[in-house]
Amino acid sequence: AQSVTQLDSQVPVFEEAPVELRCNYSSSVSVYLFWYVQYPNQGLQLLLKYLSGSTLVKGINGFEAEFNKSQTSFHLRKPSVHISDTAEYFCAVRTYGGSQGNLIFGKGTKLSVKP
Amino acid sequence: EAQVTQNPRYLITVTGKKLTVTCSQNMNHEYMSWYRQDPGLGLRQIYYSMNVEVTDKGDVPEGYKVSRKEKRNFPLILESPSPNQTSLYFCASSPQGYEQYFGPGTRLTVT
Repeated sequence: AQSVTQLDSQVPVFEEAPVELRCNYSSSVSVYLFWYVQYPNQGLQLLLKYLSGSTLVKGINGFEAEFNKSQTSFHLRKPSVHISDTAEYFCAVRTYGGSQGNLIFGKGTKLSVKP
Repeated sequence: EAQVTQNPRYLITVTGKKLTVTCSQNMNHEYMSWYRQDPGLGLRQIYYSMNVEVTDKGDVPEGYKVSRKEKRNFPLILESPSPNQTSLYFCASSPQGYEQYFGPGTRLTVT
């Protein structure tokens, strides 16, 4: 069975600093990978996804992530964060050929951007 | 506007009183799912549906039921709610089982 580990539960950072939110997954087969963002008191929205092709994926709001198959990682990065990026971020995985409705989420990383 | 709607948004109920949380999407998506979100546990999938009349268990299905009689609707039923089902619930839909589109959430409290 697959699993997702988000290595940091909370990440505080100052405005305009770079940030990396780490995600590792475990799966015996190939996977599709996603990052979602949840702003306070809201539902989740898709930031970016890796389905195939280039391992560097660009998403909304200046975020990007790199799929590293050998390290089974999909870390999320942004070169310069804003106060408005304060939110909780979730990494998620679905396996190739697995049940198409079955998406596994990590426990989330709370990003707190301070002025 | 393309969206997933859930009702009610907030619900306080008592142990054992049957309840239904409705979910509807207007994007003609085949896949729909229910998740619960608890602090420190992230999102856990309760049930999902690949099409009308096709459903399957997620990671935490105990105490929940679902049905998919129409493509747009996917209600979540708690036949006999218990306090450990107090949580924030999200419905989501997906066109091909990849990225999911989430509803605004339903905050349920069972006393």
